Amino acid sequence: GESVGLHLPTLSVQEGDNSIINCAYSNSASDYFIWYKQESGKGPQFIIDIRSNMDKRQGQRVTVLLNKTVKHLSLQIAATQPGDSAVYFCAEKHVRGAQKLVFGQGTRLTINP
Amino acid sequence: GAGVSQSPSNKVTEKGKDVELRCDPISGHTALYWYRQSLGQGLEFLIYFQGNSAPDKSGLPSDRFSAERTGGSVSTLTIQRTQQEDSAVYLCASSIQSNYGYTFGSGTRLTVV
Repeated sequence: GESVGLHLPTLSVQEGDNSIINCAYSNSASDYFIWYKQESGKGPQFIIDIRSNMDKRQGQRVTVLLNKTVKHLSLQIAATQPGDSAVYFCAEKHVRGAQKLVFGQGTRLTINP
Repeated sequence: GAGVSQSPSNKVTEKGKDVELRCDPISGHTALYWYRQSLGQGLEFLIYFQGNSAPDKSGLPSDRFSAERTGGSVSTLTIQRTQQEDSAVYLCASSIQSNYGYTFGSGTRLTVV
């Protein structure tokens, strides 16, 4: 069935290093993708989005890459800081059908001092 | 308000009781979503409202779950005859249109004892 999943459930990086969080999706009809960050006890917070007519989009210290050929999405965080420690979710939306985001299971990113 | 507001933030209820969870979306946002997040899990879609259209109830897990959205603004999620497996964080989100990303509230943590 349709699914959005993550390759790694946990990821630890040293403060100041770059991190990459990966996500695979199965529905080639999806045309909109979002990364969310969720800190403990809070709701998910929008980080960055990308539409299927793009393969890269940059924000402040974050970059999202979309490879439609292999249905892969990644989030790169540059120069990680302690405040980047959180669970990161990718989500996709299908171009047809229900107008709802389908979320992956999440990756817990821990920044080590 | 400035963000999506949910109440209560925490709710402990006895098995078999009914509960009501409230969501106040961002003013002007026409789309409203309810998701459920079990401990350490991803977000499970429950229901979606868009303007005056019939809601998408495809994610409601049983007929004990219902939701309404009055006047196109505030939404209430009702769970009847609560069960222990209903224990989770219930997240509400809104967006200006269904083709855009969501803004989430902080959620209601429901514990059924």
